[in-house]
Amino acid sequence: AQSVAQPEDQVNVAEGNPLTVKCTYSVSGNPYLFWYVQYPNRGLQFLLKYITGDNLVKGSYGFEAEFNKSQTSFHLKKPSALVSDSALYFCAVSAYAGKSTFGDGTTLTVKP
Amino acid sequence: GAGVSQSPSNKVTEKGKDVELRCDPISGHTALYWYRQSLGQGLEFLIYFQGNSAPDKSGLPSDRFSAERTGGSVSTLTIQRTQQEDSAVYLCASSLAAIGGAGSPLHFGNGTRLTVT
Repeated sequence: AQSVAQPEDQVNVAEGNPLTVKCTYSVSGNPYLFWYVQYPNRGLQFLLKYITGDNLVKGSYGFEAEFNKSQTSFHLKKPSALVSDSALYFCAVSAYAGKSTFGDGTTLTVKP
Repeated sequence: GAGVSQSPSNKVTEKGKDVELRCDPISGHTALYWYRQSLGQGLEFLIYFQGNSAPDKSGLPSDRFSAERTGGSVSTLTIQRTQQEDSAVYLCASSLAAIGGAGSPLHFGNGTRLTVT
């Protein structure tokens, strides 16, 4: 069975500082990895994905994520956080059979 | 093109009543999911439809919950004899993912906020 772990329920950073939201996964075969974001009172939006190729993938709003096969991790990063980045972030994994499994989410708070 | 559409956006019902929640996925999307989310918490997987395959019902919390997907498109989630603990936002998502195509992201609807009084 596939699974996703987001070890931090909450991440707090100051505006302008770099941010990291952690994600580790377990899946049989090659993983397809995703990050989604849910802004307050809004729906879930796709942010970025890793399928194959370059381990560093870039997505919307200046976010990027690094795939690390040996550590089975897919951490979300941004060099300089904005207050508007404050939201709930979900990591997800799927495999060949297609079903997506989500982590429990991490609430990111960026303080001015 | 239109995104995933869910109706109603809000539903208030009395304990013990049945409710039906509707999801119109993006045209051509073969995969459809139902999730439940309570007060900005995590996503609780309910059920997954993939093409003509038998649905994955492993997340349905009790036999009061059921879902169908007609003609590979519209899906209805039915909750019978609703309880207060069923109160949550019910999210539907669709994707192009098919066997061998697991790299397609999910597109979420805005959800149905269900309140059981």
